Amino acid sequence: GAGVSQSPSNKVTEKGKDVELRCDPISGHTALYWYRQRLGQGLEFLIYFQGNSAPDKSGLPSDRFSAERTGESVSTLTIQRTQQEDSAVYLCASSASYPPAFFGQGTRLTVV
Amino acid sequence: DQQVKQNSPSLSVQEGRISILNCDYTNSMFDYFLWYKKYPAEGPTFLISISSIKDKNEDGRFTVFLNKSAKHLSLHIVPSQPGDSAVYFCASRGGSNYKLTFGKGTLLTVNP
Repeated sequence: GAGVSQSPSNKVTEKGKDVELRCDPISGHTALYWYRQRLGQGLEFLIYFQGNSAPDKSGLPSDRFSAERTGESVSTLTIQRTQQEDSAVYLCASSASYPPAFFGQGTRLTVV
Repeated sequence: DQQVKQNSPSLSVQEGRISILNCDYTNSMFDYFLWYKKYPAEGPTFLISISSIKDKNEDGRFTVFLNKSAKHLSLHIVPSQPGDSAVYFCASRGGSNYKLTFGKGTLLTVNP
C-alpha cells in the first residue's frame, strides 16, 4: 500500500532482551517521527528525523532507546535491555515536512 | 502531568447534526494546535490545525476554534456524517521544537 508501514505489528519479548522496530515511511516523505502510546495515555513523542539526521531526540526516555534512518527511507527504533515499562504501542509517522501527517498502525510491544 | 486534556472519552451525535469535540491545555507556551482522526486498525491522520495567532480555521465541514484566554480549543464538524465516526485526538506544540503533546482522544460515533 501507499501508507506508512510498520513491522512487526505485534512483538512479545522477555525482559532484558533487545528489540528492533521498523518503519517504512511514505515514499518521498523526508520527515519521520516516532511516538509511543502506553496504556491509557496519549501519544508520547520520541524522536524526529529530517532525512537521515535527527534534529530532535528529546523524547527518547533513556539511553536504552536509539533510532536510525537510512537515507530518506526506512527507520529502525531499537530498545536495548527491555523493561516492562517499555510495553506500549510504538507509532511511526511521516510527512513532507511538518506536522506529522500519516501514522502507521503501530507495533504493539509487550515485555514479559 | 497531563498538559492536553480531552475530558470526554466518547460522543454520540445524529447524522446531519453538529459534532463538537473539546480539548483543554495547560501550557501557555503552546502555539500550534492540531486535530488528528483515527479509524480502527489504522494510524492517526492529520486533519486540521491552527496557529495561536488565529482563533478560527475552517476546512470544508471541519472548523477548529481556539480560545487562548481559556486555553481551550474545539473541533466542529458540520454536518456530521457516519464516515466521521472515529477517534479524534487533539495535539499541541510549544516553541520551535518538533514535539507534539497529544490528548487521550475522544471516540465520536455518528448515528445514521
